[in-house]
Amino acid sequence: SQKIEQNSEALNIQEGKTATLTCNYTNYSPAYLQWYRQDPGRGPVFLLLIRENEKEKRKERLKVTFDTTLKQSLFHITASQPADSATYLCALDPSISSGSARQLTFGSGTQLTVLP
Amino acid sequence: EAQVTQNPRYLITVTGKKLTVTCSQNMNHEYMSWYRQDPGLGLRQIYYSMNVEVTDKGDVPEGYKVSRKEKRNFPLILESPSPNQTSLYFCASSQQGSLGKLFFGSGTQLSVL
Repeated sequence: SQKIEQNSEALNIQEGKTATLTCNYTNYSPAYLQWYRQDPGRGPVFLLLIRENEKEKRKERLKVTFDTTLKQSLFHITASQPADSATYLCALDPSISSGSARQLTFGSGTQLTVLP
Repeated sequence: EAQVTQNPRYLITVTGKKLTVTCSQNMNHEYMSWYRQDPGLGLRQIYYSMNVEVTDKGDVPEGYKVSRKEKRNFPLILESPSPNQTSLYFCASSQQGSLGKLFFGSGTQLSVL
């Protein structure tokens, strides 16, 4: 069956360090993968999208990699700050191709806490 | 301001009493979707709509109905709510061709007693 797994439910790191979150998937062949941030009681907010032919994508302190051989995406936050504390979700759409959403499926998320 | 608006924010009801959660977006998005979020289970898709009058089931559609009569609105209807539908619900929308970058509403916390 198809599955999306995020490496751990919770991750604590010290301020200033790099946080690395993992998203693994099985029985999918996604053309792209997305990352979202969710604060408690709020809706997820889109952060980054990476396509299958892109190895790496950056946005300010965020970096995402996508390895279709390993079926894995890594999400990095460099120089982390307490304000980065949130739950981070990866998502992919198995139905693809038209470029439009159909059934975007989410991992259960990793709760990141950045300690001052 | 571009946004997805859900109402109500909180709702407590009793088993069997029909309810509707409204969702409206002002971005002229073709695609809209409903998710529920439960601890340990993450976000699960209930229904989605590719455009007006086009709706389809997601992963957990049982006990829910939707309609898409206008592009901006996508209400979620629980005809006979049950306690296992107690959850945090999110509506989301996306522009066609945007590779599914979703804009989410603020959520509706539903408790069915």
